Amino acid sequence: EDKVVQSPLSLVVHEGDTVTLNCSYEVTNFRSLLWYKQEKKAPTFLFMLTSSGIEKKSGRLSSILDKKELFSILNITATQTGDSAVYLCAGDYNQGGKLIFGQGTELSVKP
Amino acid sequence: EPEVTQTPSHQVTQMGQEVILRCVPISNHLYFYWYRQILGQKVEFLVSFYNNEISEKSEIFDDQFSVERPDGSNFTLKIRSTKLEDSAMYFCASSLGQGFRSPLHFGNGTRLTVT
Repeated sequence: EDKVVQSPLSLVVHEGDTVTLNCSYEVTNFRSLLWYKQEKKAPTFLFMLTSSGIEKKSGRLSSILDKKELFSILNITATQTGDSAVYLCAGDYNQGGKLIFGQGTELSVKP
Repeated sequence: EPEVTQTPSHQVTQMGQEVILRCVPISNHLYFYWYRQILGQKVEFLVSFYNNEISEKSEIFDDQFSVERPDGSNFTLKIRSTKLEDSAMYFCASSLGQGFRSPLHFGNGTRLTVT
């Protein structure tokens, strides 16, 4: 059965800390891995990763995929209270947009 | 930035009633989806839609569910006879293409409460 597992499930840090969120996946016809940020409502797209070892970066956020070990990490440096959200990892299994989501990591950044 | 819009934001209905959830995908997108998230659980795929037909559907998407693109802009999800367990946040999403370089963009969701 295809599945995506995220860890930790929740994390509390202070502003300025650096965090690493983990996502592992078991695949059938793996095509890409996506990260989303969910603040109460819509998951907002962060990154799509298709190739191993190539870091994607956007401001203080970065992510990388390891297709051999079947995992991805999302790093957030110099965290801010606005980074508080649930971060979702999802696998695209070549089935027409059928993303398989992990359970999410709830990040809380304290001032 | 263009976005997916969903209406209503919250819908309360009685068990056995029909509901229609509405979505306006991003205008140049060609692929449309419905996902749902039961409170405290994972986001789950329901259905994908392309070229006026269903491309893929999950086990959740049984005969009680249907989707339609009635005109050039709207995309709807109908639940014919709602059950208590249909209570969830329903997300519409759209993408320009499939797969590489075509991430899904989600709307803000409709919270459906079945009483």
